[in-house]
Amino acid sequence: QVQLVESGGGVVQPGRSLRLSCAASGFTFSSYDMHWVRQAPGKGLEWVAVISYDGSNKYYADSVKGRFTISRDNSKNTLYLQMNSLRAEDTAVYYCAKDRGITGTTDAFDIWGQGTMVTVSS
Amino acid sequence: AIRMTQSPSSFSASTGDRVTITCRASQGISSYLAWYQQKPGKTPKLLIYAASTLQSGVPSRFSGSGSGTDFTLTISCLQSEDFATYYCQQYYSYPYTFGQGTKLEIK
Repeated sequence: QVQLVESGGGVVQPGRSLRLSCAASGFTFSSYDMHWVRQAPGKGLEWVAVISYDGSNKYYADSVKGRFTISRDNSKNTLYLQMNSLRAEDTAVYYCAKDRGITGTTDAFDIWGQGTMVTVSS
Repeated sequence: AIRMTQSPSSFSASTGDRVTITCRASQGISSYLAWYQQKPGKTPKLLIYAASTLQSGVPSRFSGSGSGTDFTLTISCLQSEDFATYYCQQYYSYPYTFGQGTKLEIK
């Protein structure tokens, strides 16, 4: 079945780095834009970043621009989020999400992973 | 960035009630609006996209309307499993943005 499984979360000190992964299965990964969305404890949803189906376009939330990098490996059906210079305010559950639109058509997120928790604390 | 404002932020209702949640965009977003449901400890679930199109498998008691800047999500007859937090989201332009959420609680 269609599935997204995140990994790589954990506890990290401020200023350090972490890389999240999202393994996709059950659909043609290389045909869809992919997103990262986060949710701080007890708070709402915050869109973080998107990468186009072919990796050619990337956009970021202002809150992470210059610190986070989204990437993908279509040969491995895997999405990544490299997080550098982490701050306490980056503490959140990080979800990867699949865009409904095929080959770059902008759309809502129809499939979400279960999320991976990132805690930034000294 | 486009600001999405939901109202109310929370409210109580009873099983069988008809409920409407409002979402307003700070600028026009055509129909590039989605609604999600999230239960505690669970992943968000897509309910409606393109402002009014029901996602496959979502019960017909959910409906959406609106375009431009003003949108509504309506649940026609609340069921026990509908008590959750609901978010609107614009996907008209980057950065995509979500509303702050509306928590629907049992009265």
